[in-house]
Amino acid sequence: DAGVIQSPRHEVTEMGQEVTLRCKPISGHDYLFWYRQTMMRGLELLIYFNNNVPIDDSGMPEDRFSAKMPNASFSTLKIQPSEPRDSAVYFCASSPGQGLLQYFGPGTRLTVT
Amino acid sequence: RKEVEQDPGPFNVPEGATVAFNCTYSNSASQSFFWYRQDCRKEPKLLMSVYSSGNEDGRFTAQLNRASQYISLLIRDSKLSDSATYLCVVNGGGSYIPTFGRGTSLIVHP
Repeated sequence: DAGVIQSPRHEVTEMGQEVTLRCKPISGHDYLFWYRQTMMRGLELLIYFNNNVPIDDSGMPEDRFSAKMPNASFSTLKIQPSEPRDSAVYFCASSPGQGLLQYFGPGTRLTVT
Repeated sequence: RKEVEQDPGPFNVPEGATVAFNCTYSNSASQSFFWYRQDCRKEPKLLMSVYSSGNEDGRFTAQLNRASQYISLLIRDSKLSDSATYLCVVNGGGSYIPTFGRGTSLIVHP
């Protein structure tokens, strides 16, 4: 079985540009999570979806960040405009149910210059 | 007080040593607990779940102490390949928002 798929794996962009990160969860998983990881702050939950519906976006840092899940097999995290402090590794994870373990994708390493 | 706290380490141990990590959590209503392992520049991967009665998987033993609100991970006979960051995860307690600790770094040297 394919795991969680993320693209791109690496992204380098200039400040002010729009960045779109993509995620395909494991088939049959009802929950999808977006995380950001930095050395300073560790792993932070940004937003999570249940059955394609956003449940909690309290971790989204500000209005520059938005996430969508148009169907069960695809989600995007968009940053517009991007800033250098957004540089981090962004992970997508999926889970088959509430309270169950999460499976992480390989992450997108974002660098904003 | 942070919801989930771990000693960041690093724990620097020789091969063959036994090492233990603790992770404390603040929400007494938490219901499920996990240990994840994260290698450098890789994604976190499940190491093991933590059950109320404690559980063992080869050289790894996980325990839960609800009274004192902590979970532990014991690694026996450390291998070089055990070098990684170990993250604890706590779920439940009123909302389904998994909370990760900052991780404990383990370095096993020859």
